Amino acid sequence: RKEVEQDPGPFNVPEGATVAFNCTYSNSASQSFFWYRQDCRKEPKLLMSVYSSGNEDGRFTAQLNRASQYISLLIRDSKLSDSATYLCVVNARRTSYDKVIFGPGTSLSVIP
Amino acid sequence: DAGVTQSPTHLIKTRGQHVTLRCSPISGHKSVSWYQQVLGQGPQFIFQYYEKEERGRGNFPDRFSARQFPNYSSELNVNALLLGDSALYLCASSLSVAGSYEQYFGPGTRLTVT
Repeated sequence: RKEVEQDPGPFNVPEGATVAFNCTYSNSASQSFFWYRQDCRKEPKLLMSVYSSGNEDGRFTAQLNRASQYISLLIRDSKLSDSATYLCVVNARRTSYDKVIFGPGTSLSVIP
Repeated sequence: DAGVTQSPTHLIKTRGQHVTLRCSPISGHKSVSWYQQVLGQGPQFIFQYYEKEERGRGNFPDRFSARQFPNYSSELNVNALLLGDSALYLCASSLSVAGSYEQYFGPGTRLTVT
């Protein structure tokens, strides 16, 4: 089993739609969680950190369920500019070492 | 403020050669991490350095090595290049230990091994 798994996608949604991405991780000792977006042939950019209490930034809402080892990202009122690959990121700490693990990404295309 | 910078932007090497990639973090950031990204996949963690010490290592062979300098810039070295090393190499900086703080990525170095 991969350490971080995401919905395989791609997701093709109309403008204005609500779309949800899911991510699961295998290491129960994981401590930090993030969502990044990556545009085609560009570097990943931080979208938001994910906190245990859940957090919201405008149209974006992130949730963390430690018991189920599950992270989600909800995008409301999708815009054309939301088209990108969304990457789930987990920090799996091992003794004094950190290991940052990216999921494979889920591609989103928002259609006019 | 300048973001994370990487050099070179593109590089073509032949099998068996050696390559050095360079990264300068955001001013004030003390942690640098390196990632390899193959087309269609998420970035794979290679190394993390903080205050010039290795703080994390991914599942890469010993042909891959890195170091961080007193000014917090970093180099990634890859020896005995293989065709499979062709990828986008990303550098990311963060204020402290990468996993606990948000990372900011440079534009990457696209390495092609022929």
